[in-house]
Amino acid sequence: TQLLEQSPQFLSIQEGENLTVYCNSSSVFSSLQWYRQEPGEGPVLLVTVVTGGEVKKLKRLTFQFGDARKDSSLHITAAQTGDTGLYLCAGRYNFNKFYFGSGTKLNVKP
Amino acid sequence: EAGVAQSPRYKIIEKRQSVAFWCNPISGHATLYWYQQILGQGPKLLIQFQNNGVVDDSQLPKDRFSAERLKGVDSTLKIQPAKLEDSAVYLCASSPLPGLGDDNEQFFGPGTRLTVL
Repeated sequence: TQLLEQSPQFLSIQEGENLTVYCNSSSVFSSLQWYRQEPGEGPVLLVTVVTGGEVKKLKRLTFQFGDARKDSSLHITAAQTGDTGLYLCAGRYNFNKFYFGSGTKLNVKP
Repeated sequence: EAGVAQSPRYKIIEKRQSVAFWCNPISGHATLYWYQQILGQGPKLLIQFQNNGVVDDSQLPKDRFSAERLKGVDSTLKIQPAKLEDSAVYLCASSPLPGLGDDNEQFFGPGTRLTVL
């Protein structure tokens, strides 16, 4: 059973465009993490959001956690080719357990 | 600081054969995870250890998969016998024990890509 739905599944945009990726669930998580994974490598943590309504910024990336802690979004401003990769959200539940979403594959064209 | 090490990086076997993967976590990390990532999907947790004890193995197909973490350090994951649907990347991750905050990061290895023919 997939507890975390990510959308869109695939996204191909030109460099300089903006985009938003969504992560939705019917379950409440104690926190939510966003990872980026490049081909042949393991996922790397970008950010953790903990409080409902929390907004975190990491340079051109803005992360938001929904008020009810069931959903999150990642917004990228002025995308660059280096942003290309698989973006994964992971919800934390119980003690140190994580459930990953299906991922959004982003391709930024020069 | 060295990252999470995994070997081999690639493995090709025929169905019904056996295979084993090895993981060496970051020194001092108490929690170790094994994930299966099928092409086009997110990682699925197979088993979670804390030190040398199993915390969660509810999604591990125990009729063919086994894992151990001797002495609470490195770990091996075995598949015997392999099926076609086991073709995937097997990721190992480790994390320190969570503190008072909720910001626990998992550090992933590069994964082992398994192809079952």
